[in-house]
Amino acid sequence: ETGVTQTPRHLVMGMTNKKSLKCEQHLGHNAMYWYKQSAKKPLELMFVYSLEERVENNSVPSRFSPECPNSSHLFLHLHTLQPEDSALYLCASSQEYRMNTEAFFGQGTRLTVV
Amino acid sequence: SQKIEQNSEALNIQEGKTATLTCNYTNYSPAYLQWYRQDPGRGPVFLLLIRENEKEKRKERLKVTFDTTLKQSLFHITASQPADSATYLCALDTNNNDMRFGAGTRLTVKP
Repeated sequence: ETGVTQTPRHLVMGMTNKKSLKCEQHLGHNAMYWYKQSAKKPLELMFVYSLEERVENNSVPSRFSPECPNSSHLFLHLHTLQPEDSALYLCASSQEYRMNTEAFFGQGTRLTVV
Repeated sequence: SQKIEQNSEALNIQEGKTATLTCNYTNYSPAYLQWYRQDPGRGPVFLLLIRENEKEKRKERLKVTFDTTLKQSLFHITASQPADSATYLCALDTNNNDMRFGAGTRLTVKP
């Protein structure tokens, strides 16, 4: 266990559904991240929160909406997704929003859009 | 354009040999580079971090080198074991301080 917990582990949703992914860390970290991992592609950074403020949004479509209510929790709200959004969604945290600190990843949510 | 390339999608080696994985980058000037291990269906796990002023870093059977002139990092696993079979990812920092990952190399160590 890395100390970062993601739920659910698997999710199947229709294109008209609304669902949310949840991430929780109790490591006392100040930065949290959402990544998307598609087959045979590099991890794509989606969003970064540092001290509960969004510091990066990498041109992610508005059908993905992040929320960081406190430093321990991060959500990714999903609505009207497309089949190409099917992927492994990974949450990570690090002590600070800097590259010189290691990132701790959750197990991921395997999302299938039908 | 900016690129991070890991030498091959898959690498097969015999148990006991040294595995060498390559990470090359273009149009980045990273101050740090990290290596992660990822098992199927799981999130990446941090292995090593190396700074631009460090040529080499070791941890048990793992060794990482960082050559900013060649724009390359090498990741070595000595005395490899079947349990080392996994996908290995390199990641480097961008000017924005976030991490960009390579696509990974899937290593298989055969008994």
